Amino acid sequence: QLQLQESGPGLVKPSETLSLICTVSGDSISSSTYYWGWIRQPPGKGLEWIANIYRTGSTYYNPSLKSRVTISVDTSKNRFSLNLTSVTAADTAVYYCVRGLNTWGQGTLVTVSS
Amino acid sequence: DVVMTQSPLSLPVTLGQPASISCRSSQSLVYSDGNTYLNWFQQRPGQSPRRLFYKVSNRDSGVPDRFSGSGSGTDFTLKISRVEAEDVGVYYCMQGTHWPRTFGQGTKVEIK
Repeated sequence: QLQLQESGPGLVKPSETLSLICTVSGDSISSSTYYWGWIRQPPGKGLEWIANIYRTGSTYYNPSLKSRVTISVDTSKNRFSLNLTSVTAADTAVYYCVRGLNTWGQGTLVTVSS
Repeated sequence: DVVMTQSPLSLPVTLGQPASISCRSSQSLVYSDGNTYLNWFQQRPGQSPRRLFYKVSNRDSGVPDRFSGSGSGTDFTLKISRVEAEDVGVYYCMQGTHWPRTFGQGTKVEIK
């Protein structure tokens, strides 16, 4: 059964880097035809696409975040990651990792605060 | 960016009655391959979103057939033929034709 599990710090200080990992079980990132991505949801608000990556390494970044975001894959550990630099309170959100759009992780709340 | 506009934003419904949510896009969602990449998601309280439909009307596995998706071009609709208690939550449309992918604001369905 396919499962995605986000992990990372729940609290990040302003101006620092938010780093999250999504560990995948039940599918192989290196062979899957789906893309792998990150979507976030500020508390009580709607959904925002952050970035996605294909097994080929091809990536897409939301232009609103592109200068601060990096998505990457570690095929040896069957996981992918998100780095978001220079965070502010506006980056406080539940961060979901996804496979395509048909499988979502449970989400992890990241709060940006000093 | 393509703006996705949902209405209504709040939808109180009586159990057993139908419900309908509209989603309009600021640009046509017809892709160069002829497909229309419009998705619908359900987010129950405290849960991750779950996709209900892709390419307008293709139902995902496990989605009850009381749900239906329709529309074309820039105008789309999600319908629930008879609302059940488990349908409470927020529903989002999302376009997958243009970059960046964008979501509607969400429609909160609640029981009267």
